[in-house]
Amino acid sequence: DAGVTQSPTHLIKTRGQQVTLRCSPISGHKSVSWYQQVLGQGPQFIFQYYEKEERGRGNFPDRFSARQFPNYSSELNVNALLLGDSALYLCASSFRTSGSYEQYFGPGTRLTVT
Amino acid sequence: AQSVTQLDSQVPVFEEAPVELRCNYSSSVSVYLFWYVQYPNQGLQLLLKYLSGSTLVKGINGFEAEFNKSQTSFHLRKPSVHISDTAEYFCAVSVADTDKLIFGTGTRLQVFP
Repeated sequence: DAGVTQSPTHLIKTRGQQVTLRCSPISGHKSVSWYQQVLGQGPQFIFQYYEKEERGRGNFPDRFSARQFPNYSSELNVNALLLGDSALYLCASSFRTSGSYEQYFGPGTRLTVT
Repeated sequence: AQSVTQLDSQVPVFEEAPVELRCNYSSSVSVYLFWYVQYPNQGLQLLLKYLSGSTLVKGINGFEAEFNKSQTSFHLRKPSVHISDTAEYFCAVSVADTDKLIFGTGTRLQVFP
């Protein structure tokens, strides 16, 4: 079975631009979470979606938004990009909406803002 | 609020030697504990998890961890490391009834021949 897939793999954007990152969860997984990993740090939680509804939000500005589609795939949008948004963006999927159940991570999208 | 502290940013060790990566957490509520590994230019892979029950948890690739509630620790151990274990290791907690993971800053394990 395919794991969590993310696209694109790499992306270079200019300050002020907007970006959309995509994630396809493992088949049967209904929960998708997004994390930002800045170089040299641990991942930081951005959003969790389950059944197309936002179930959790981390401490990120409103420039960050996300949505989940009926097929459970998800998009993360970042507006008005700043240099500090440069990071590896990780998507994780899980079967359950809550609890300690295992989350499976995708390979990430590396965003570089110049 | 919950937090995770990984006490060592880097751990150098020779091949076939034992290793311990330290993790302490802070939480006023029950949490679940995880160790993830990240190889260069890759996502995160779950090594092991503690949900409840036995405090000694065994994971993949010969790793194990022990949950110590009194010391709020969840240290990762391996009795004999290989070159291929060179990677970044992250300790994480999640609050019961949520999928949100809170990660530590990571420990870089460097295995030398």
